[in-house]
Amino acid sequence: EIVLTQSPGTLSLSPGERATLSCRASQSVSSSYLAWYQQKPGQAPRLLIFGASTRATGIPDRFSGSGSGTDFTLTISRLEPEDFAVYYCQQSGSSPRLTFGGGTKVEIK
Amino acid sequence: EVQLVESGGGLVKPGGSLRLSCAASGFTFSSYDMNWVRQAPGKGLEWVSSITRSSTYIYYADSVKGRFTISRDNAKNSLYLQMNSLRAEDTAVYYCARGEREMADWGQGTLVTVSS
Repeated sequence: EIVLTQSPGTLSLSPGERATLSCRASQSVSSSYLAWYQQKPGQAPRLLIFGASTRATGIPDRFSGSGSGTDFTLTISRLEPEDFAVYYCQQSGSSPRLTFGGGTKVEIK
Repeated sequence: EVQLVESGGGLVKPGGSLRLSCAASGFTFSSYDMNWVRQAPGKGLEWVSSITRSSTYIYYADSVKGRFTISRDNAKNSLYLQMNSLRAEDTAVYYCARGEREMADWGQGTLVTVSS
């Protein structure tokens, strides 16, 4: 079973700063099957990145994804006020069918 | 515009049953795998179940296997989750979501509360 571990649990940053979020898998994950989501309070998750590095429709280019194998990263180049939220990574393709990481909260410092 | 609208949530006693529905519109429902994902209050996302386009393959998380049943009716553009033998730990917002590898579209969720 693949387990996704996200770090840090909470990231305290100021608007304009760079955010680097980590997602580590317990086994190798195909890059094609790694996605990132953003979730704000009271809202459904929103797909940001799929295939480890491809931005979903309408996602600003300050969001970027990278990585392969067991280590993946979501980078927000310059935080905007609307970017403060919880971020989840997700893998698919291995048993179990889908797995989410525990999430990283990006909060205003 | 893609729309996914869940319904059927509510308060149920431990051991009880509930059937969730997800009405889809704005896309060719029969062409997409569908999923249920839940989120307990204040917790992270947990995948629950997936069903392929023609219901050929069905998958469940270990936590719900044997108790929950996913199904779909492509003629009605609808996804379902039959939940039996509900436990307190099943309390969560349940989302339906479209996609095979990543989930590009989500409903607004329906709250299921299991409590005596």
